[in-house]
Amino acid sequence: GQQVMQIPQYQHVQEGEDFTTYCNSSTTLSNIQWYKQRPGGHPVFLIQLVKSGEVKKQKRLTFQFGEAKKNSSLHITATQTTDVGTYFCAGPKGGSQGNLIFGKGTKLSVKP
Amino acid sequence: GAGVSQSPRYKVTKRGQDVALRCDPISGHVSLYWYRQALGQGPEFLTYFNYEAQQDKSGLPNDRFSAERPEGSISTLTIQRTEQRDSAMYRCASSGWGTGGKETQYFGPGTRLLVL
Repeated sequence: GQQVMQIPQYQHVQEGEDFTTYCNSSTTLSNIQWYKQRPGGHPVFLIQLVKSGEVKKQKRLTFQFGEAKKNSSLHITATQTTDVGTYFCAGPKGGSQGNLIFGKGTKLSVKP
Repeated sequence: GAGVSQSPRYKVTKRGQDVALRCDPISGHVSLYWYRQALGQGPEFLTYFNYEAQQDKSGLPNDRFSAERPEGSISTLTIQRTEQRDSAMYRCASSGWGTGGKETQYFGPGTRLLVL
């Protein structure tokens, strides 16, 4: 079946270092969404990418959608302790508007 | 309301009992989604509604799981004859326009279910 995969599963960085997580889908996606879940919290929407090759920035976060619309990445520049959490990508299941398939997430820890 | 609310926040039950989990979406939101999230995993889709109509229930694991949203607002996820493998965090989300695969989903705090 359709799958969304993320690597790495865990990433430990020193505060100030950069961080990147990668997302790959087994199928072409109409769009991809990114969510952040803080420890003990619930997923919070960050952004949606729709166009092939799209790049969007939110302060220190840069999101990219691949040309083939099958992969995406999230890059954080100069991480801060507030960036700690698990980052999930999610894409819609083909044929179902509301069925989002989430990756397993990348858990980021930041050492001050 | 200000956000998605779920109740109870924690539920401990014995194997074989039925449980009902409630979700109150953001006021006016068309779509409501149920997910199950195991520790260290991403949310796993269960089912979703547009208004009161169940649009996709392909993620429900088996026929012990059912969901309803009779008036297009509050929803209940029911698990009958619970088993230990049902233990997980059950999350509800809602979105505004009925195209949840293309729009922001707002998640609730979840119900932590433990089946003994």
